[in-house]
Amino acid sequence: AQSVTQLDSHVSVSEGTPVLLRCNYSSSYSPSLFWYVQHPNKGLQLLLKYTSAATLVKGINGFEAEFKKSETSFHLTKPSAHMSDAAEYFCVVSRNTGNQFYFGTGTSLTVIP
Amino acid sequence: EPEVTQTPSHQVTQMGQEVILRCVPISNHLYFYWYRQILGQKVEFLVSFYNNEISEKSEIFDDQFSVERPDGSNFTLKIRSTKLEDSAMYFCASSLTGQKETQYFGPGTRLLVL
Repeated sequence: AQSVTQLDSHVSVSEGTPVLLRCNYSSSYSPSLFWYVQHPNKGLQLLLKYTSAATLVKGINGFEAEFKKSETSFHLTKPSAHMSDAAEYFCVVSRNTGNQFYFGTGTSLTVIP
Repeated sequence: EPEVTQTPSHQVTQMGQEVILRCVPISNHLYFYWYRQILGQKVEFLVSFYNNEISEKSEIFDDQFSVERPDGSNFTLKIRSTKLEDSAMYFCASSLTGQKETQYFGPGTRLLVL
């Protein structure tokens, strides 16, 4: 079975400091993993995805994530937070067969000026 | 940049009424999806649709739900007889192909059943 656990429901950082949003996954197969971001009243926007190529994945807006199979983790990081990064972030896993996505509960990121 | 659109953005209905939520997927995409998010809970998969038929559905997607692609552009979710617990944000998504492919999401329709 597939599932993701986002370890923090809320994260607060100061502008210019690093961001770490944690995600652990469970999958019976080699998973595909995604991070999506949702700004208020907007759709879910893809930040980055891992599909069994390079384990360090770079996404949009300076975000990156590292797939660590031994730790079953796919944490999202950014070296320096910007005010515009304040949003809800979702870690998502899909399985290799079928096409449904399994979402984490989301992490709300607040950026303090 | 092409995007998925959804209408209406908000819908209020009375329990027992039928609602139709509409989505316009990205034009060259072949797979379409509906998800929902009850307030305070996870985003949950409802159904996927390919080649004019359902390819996968979850346990949530029971007989009160149906999906349709009535023309070349729209993709609809019908809830036949709404219940209070159907109140949620409903997201439509589309992808170019199926497995492991990025899904592009619309902004959602917030449904409130009274």
